[in-house]
Amino acid sequence: QSVLTQPPSVSGAPGQRITISCTGSSSNIGAGYDVHWYLQLPGRAPKLLIYGNNNRPSGVPDRFSGSKSGTSASLAITGLQGEDEADYYCQSYDSSLSIQYVFGTGTKVTVL
Amino acid sequence: EVQLVQSGAEVKRPGESLKISCKVSGYTFTTNWIGWVRQMPGKGLDWMGIMYPGDSDTRYSPSFQGQVTISADKSINTAYLQWGSLKASDTAIYYCVRRGSGTWPYHFDYWGQGTLVTVSS
Repeated sequence: QSVLTQPPSVSGAPGQRITISCTGSSSNIGAGYDVHWYLQLPGRAPKLLIYGNNNRPSGVPDRFSGSKSGTSASLAITGLQGEDEADYYCQSYDSSLSIQYVFGTGTKVTVL
Repeated sequence: EVQLVQSGAEVKRPGESLKISCKVSGYTFTTNWIGWVRQMPGKGLDWMGIMYPGDSDTRYSPSFQGQVTISADKSINTAYLQWGSLKASDTAIYYCVRRGSGTWPYHFDYWGQGTLVTVSS
């Protein structure tokens, strides 16, 4: 079980805004470590969506945004589209583990 | 254009050995760390380990230390993940990833397409 907890599923209607949380603790997000987000379309490899808490790689629409506060981080998707239906993972570091890269538990986004 | 192209799917029996590959292009192979991530069927992502091809410095997740070996051949810009004796529980998709730059903790900015490894008797 990961130290970064995400809701198993989030859903929304087309055009709506949804948020996905990534809840950690004082040894990871709360310690100030950056959070990154990945999107995994069905049957495809994950792809970097947000890095350094709130930075978008070239080509990622500005409908996607990230934020961090305290021991949690969030990914927001505005103007939800059918193509956004995918799994989303957060990633950071935990100082209490010997694991350099920790992924969240993952969230399945369903577009209603 | 940065590309990480992995070797094809494998079907193996328990106890057999295996080496899968990840050939990179579009950047200087020796200047970025290359890692491996496991995804078991229907499950999330697990970081396995990472190597710096420039000097072969390698780090493993404790869960995978001693279970797999990460290596690289700089002459052909290729990273490898190998098992000495596969188990059924090694059945998964394995992704090679390039570590990006910036600040710690680093992200993975490019991913291979994945290699499905099936271990079954």
